[in-house]
Amino acid sequence: SQQGEEDPQALSIQEGENATMNCSYKTSINNLQWYRQNSGRGLVHLILIRSNEREKHSGRLRVTLDTSKKSSSLLITASRAADTASYFCATDGTSYGKLTFGQGTILTVHP
Amino acid sequence: EAQVTQNPRYLITVTGKKLTVTCSQNMNHEYMSWYRQDPGLGLRQIYYSMNVEVTDKGDVPEGYKVSRKEKRNFPLILESPSPNQTSLYFCASSRRQLDSPLHFGNGTRLTVT
Repeated sequence: SQQGEEDPQALSIQEGENATMNCSYKTSINNLQWYRQNSGRGLVHLILIRSNEREKHSGRLRVTLDTSKKSSSLLITASRAADTASYFCATDGTSYGKLTFGQGTILTVHP
Repeated sequence: EAQVTQNPRYLITVTGKKLTVTCSQNMNHEYMSWYRQDPGLGLRQIYYSMNVEVTDKGDVPEGYKVSRKEKRNFPLILESPSPNQTSLYFCASSRRQLDSPLHFGNGTRLTVT
């Protein structure tokens, strides 16, 4: 079973709106990462949040981590059409060296 | 330019014909990993390497081999490809696995007929 599960599977919004994606995981972790993928291309790292952190910001991105609930959320504020992509969370924790990705959230931002 | 280079980008082959997908990084990264991406299944880890001469199985290692003879290269070998290995493959590297972001290659789309 997947260590990380994203929710929703797909999200469609208008430009200027905020987009929130959630990730749940099963085992304890050292850190959680969010990645973005444009249609069939390599993933690009967005943010890494450590298990002792609760919130992290990078530009229009805000990530929160709740280790008690084993969940994280990625918020993209004031979305743009260029934010259209798939977003994945990735967690360590199942065993040393393994980094497990969820199935991703497909975000579509309409101009 | 710092990058992870995979070759080839596209590959069509027949069942049973051995093939190698190359991966090279120029960032002196210790950690390297291979993933396959299939619709509805996300990215699944095939093999990873914490450093030279150290490799370990990921979640879906069956049918694949890897080697890490030098720090920069981490080839993925399919000794006898089968149609269920048709997939999009990604190589990635990072400075250290536990707390460093992964840098991904552009992917290799493999079709096995």
